Amino acid sequence: GQQLNQSPQSMFIQEGEDVSMNCTSSSIFNTWLWYKQDPGEGPVLLIALYKAGELTSNGRLTAQFGITRKDSFLNISASIPSDVGIYFCAGPAGYALNFGKGTSLLVTP
Amino acid sequence: NAGVTQTPKFQVLKTGQSMTLQCAQDMNHNSMYWYRQDPGMGLRLIYYSASEGTTDKGEVPNGYNVSRLNKREFSLRLESAAPSQTSVYFCASSDGRMGGYTFGSGTRLTVV
Repeated sequence: GQQLNQSPQSMFIQEGEDVSMNCTSSSIFNTWLWYKQDPGEGPVLLIALYKAGELTSNGRLTAQFGITRKDSFLNISASIPSDVGIYFCAGPAGYALNFGKGTSLLVTP
Repeated sequence: NAGVTQTPKFQVLKTGQSMTLQCAQDMNHNSMYWYRQDPGMGLRLIYYSASEGTTDKGEVPNGYNVSRLNKREFSLRLESAAPSQTSVYFCASSDGRMGGYTFGSGTRLTVV
């Protein structure tokens, strides 16, 4: 399947800082999804992107579908302790979703 | 509204033992999936069922079997557990939209 490369692998930041992470694909996607996984829980959808160049916000989160259709970015503004977790990008792979390896975010007060 | 329910939440098996992981959804979704999550590896698809009565292999199907018992239930069976199957297993269901996945809270399996 398509390779999804997420970076950075982990981030350790202070409360109030902004966060940026990205995901690149070896092939073109027509959908990009961003999920968050809280410790001990399953992933939950944050943002879905369906069109190249699309910029979508969900509260303090903003995600963009890259123009090349091979990348996507997620930004979190003014981070808070509850932003802790693993963030995954995902894209369609046949009938299912293919996930990146995740970015682990730690936020200190 | 429970969403996707997985049982058990935790399990320890000895090498060679068998077990079935249960998954049920109450959202009338057609598609269901089993993923495994290992540290630093993200989520990898084991098997999926696009609709009731059909199942297909994903990226890492070896050592597993599945049954789509009815529209609500999709079980994952380990016939002879191996330490390499130590992982967190997630079941998900979908309404057919790429953004329409709902995940369960996972089963944490350790094989010793």
